[in-house]
Amino acid sequence: QKEVEQNSGPLSVPEGAIASLNCTYSDRVSQSFFWYRQYSGKSPELIMSIYSNGDKEDGRFTAQLNKASQYVSLLIRDSQPSDSATYLCAVSGGGYNKLIFGAGTRLAVHP
Amino acid sequence: GAVVSQHPSRVICKSGTSVKIECRSLDFQATTMFWYRQFPKQSLMLMATSNEGSKATYEQGVEKDKFLINHASLTLSTLTVTSAHPEDSSFYICSARDQAGTSGSTDTQYFGPGTRLTVL
Repeated sequence: QKEVEQNSGPLSVPEGAIASLNCTYSDRVSQSFFWYRQYSGKSPELIMSIYSNGDKEDGRFTAQLNKASQYVSLLIRDSQPSDSATYLCAVSGGGYNKLIFGAGTRLAVHP
Repeated sequence: GAVVSQHPSRVICKSGTSVKIECRSLDFQATTMFWYRQFPKQSLMLMATSNEGSKATYEQGVEKDKFLINHASLTLSTLTVTSAHPEDSSFYICSARDQAGTSGSTDTQYFGPGTRLTVL
C-alpha cells in the first residue's frame, strides 16, 4: 500500500512568519512530487512541483525533497492570511502516473 | 496556460436521473485524465483514470456501470453518474495530465474547478 503522510494540523502561524509543511511517502521509486493548495469548497491548485533532491524556490514558496529520507516539504515565507488553506502533498505512483495524495495539512495564518 | 474546465459547476437533480459532467483541457492535450470525488472535510478520492481512446481504469470499490467515463478526444473526458441517489451527492473534480509539459511542468496534473452534485 503506497502511502503519503501529512500532519492534518491545523498549523497556526502569525502573519509574516515562515510556515513549514511536511510530508513523507512510502514508495521509494516515486519520481515526481507536488504541492497543491485547496481552499474550502474549491478544487486543488498546483503550487510547486519538484523532481530532484534539493530545494526549488518560486516566489515565497520553497519545496524541499530528500529521496533518501522519503521526505518532501513546503516552506511559505512571509505567510499571509490569504495563504490559509489546506495544503496537499502528492506523489506520483502507479500506472498512468496516478497521484497519491496525503490527507492534507490545514494552515491558518492569523493577523 | 494549463487550464482545465468543468461543466456544469453545480447541478441539482432528482433521485434516479443521470448526470453528465464534462472535463476539458483548454490549452494542452491530455491523453490521461482523472476523476476524483471529495466529501465534506475529507480528502480527495480517486475514482478512475480516463484514457483517450480506451476504457477507463476504475479504482477498487468504484462501480464502473454507475460511473460511466468516456474520453473521446485529447481534450475532453466525461463522467456520467447514472441513476443518481442522494449518497452520490459530492464534489466531483477532474484533473488532466500534461504529459508533454506544454504548461512548463512535465507530467503534472491540473485540476478543473469541480462540479458540486446534489441529488434530492
